[in-house]
Amino acid sequence: AQSVTQPDIHITVSEGASLELRCNYSYGATPYLFWYVQSPGQGLQLLLKYFSGDTLVQGIKGFEAEFKRSQSSFNLRKPSVHWSDAAEYFCAVGLGNQFYFGTGTSLTVIP
Amino acid sequence: KAGVTQTPRYLIKTRGQQVTLSCSPISGHRSVSWYQQTPGQGLQFLFEYFSETQRNKGNFPGRFSGRQFSNSRSEMNVSTLELGDSALYLCASGTAANTGELFFGEGSRLTVL
Repeated sequence: AQSVTQPDIHITVSEGASLELRCNYSYGATPYLFWYVQSPGQGLQLLLKYFSGDTLVQGIKGFEAEFKRSQSSFNLRKPSVHWSDAAEYFCAVGLGNQFYFGTGTSLTVIP
Repeated sequence: KAGVTQTPRYLIKTRGQQVTLSCSPISGHRSVSWYQQTPGQGLQFLFEYFSETQRNKGNFPGRFSGRQFSNSRSEMNVSTLELGDSALYLCASGTAANTGELFFGEGSRLTVL
């Protein structure tokens, strides 16, 4: 069955520390890959996307993600976290006309 | 360019009632998708419309229905509401291309009492 797994339900980091959020997917082919962020009471905002080409993609707000085909992973990273990064992060894959979302990782940032 | 607009933002209903939610996509976008978000289930796909045609449907009961108008605006309806239907309902619009990125609205928060 098709699935998107975000193994970390909740992560706490100190402001200024580095961040890595994990995402694994299970599909036969390489899907289109996305990371979205959701602040409380808001919709989802696209951080970055991977369609093809360079496996390291840059996004907004200083985020980047690396696609690793051999591991079926698309991990999100940020070298230095800011307090405003506290939010819920969703990994998603797109196949055809449909998107599949992970269950999300909640990020808490400690001052 | 205006973003995706969802109305109403908040609503409270009682069991057995029905509800209609509205979504206006970004101008020029012809694809509209609907998702249900709950703390326990995360984001679950409801259905997707493109040019007034439903192209995909998620695994939800027939009480959940939707439609898209010629101006790409979309509505979803939930009949015979149950407590478990309490959720944030998110609408997302996209371009004509398959699996382009989705642009989300802020959602309609439905509470069923």
